[in-house]
Amino acid sequence: AQRVTQPEKLLSVFKGAPVELKCNYSYSGSPELFWYVQYSRQRLQLLLRHISRESIKGFTADLNKGETSFHLKKPFAQEEDSAMYYCALRGYNTDKLIFGTGTRLQVFP
Amino acid sequence: DTEVTQTPKHLVMGMTNKKSLKCEQHMGHRAMYWYKQKAKKPPELMFVYSYEKLSINESVPSRFSPECPNSSLLNLHLHALQPEDSALYLCASSQEPGTDTQYFGPGTRLTVL
Repeated sequence: AQRVTQPEKLLSVFKGAPVELKCNYSYSGSPELFWYVQYSRQRLQLLLRHISRESIKGFTADLNKGETSFHLKKPFAQEEDSAMYYCALRGYNTDKLIFGTGTRLQVFP
Repeated sequence: DTEVTQTPKHLVMGMTNKKSLKCEQHMGHRAMYWYKQKAKKPPELMFVYSYEKLSINESVPSRFSPECPNSSLLNLHLHALQPEDSALYLCASSQEPGTDTQYFGPGTRLTVL
């Protein structure tokens, strides 16, 4: 079964601290993995996709096929990073995005 | 225009009403999507239109009826909804089906009384 697991509902850190939002997936094949972010009162927007291997707003994520993980990391959190973060999976050549339950990141000053 | 727009922003309807949600994009995207997002839950896919044809229906009840009049427009017709259908309805689009990033609209917050 295709599944995305984000074990933390809430992650609270202080400004300048490192951040790691965990994402594990279950998929028999080669999925495409995404991180979407939803800031307060804003639309859901793409943060990262694994195939682009970019760093956006200081965030990076590496697909680890052995551990079936796609954790999101940032070395120094900023207050403006406070938002809801969703990890999502799309199977090969399908349209269906499967979202994890989301992790709310709170960055305190 | 590089955004997906949705109207209305909010909608309150009774269980016997008929209403429609509208989604528009002018980015030339050929795939459009409807998602449902309940409070504090992730979005769940409802329908996918690929080149104006319905390609995925995630076993959605028939009281939700999608329509794609042209490549820029996607409607969701609502009839005889239940209070449990109250949710945020999100529209998204992507350049091509199956391979590209999905861009989301701001959503329509629906309340069924």
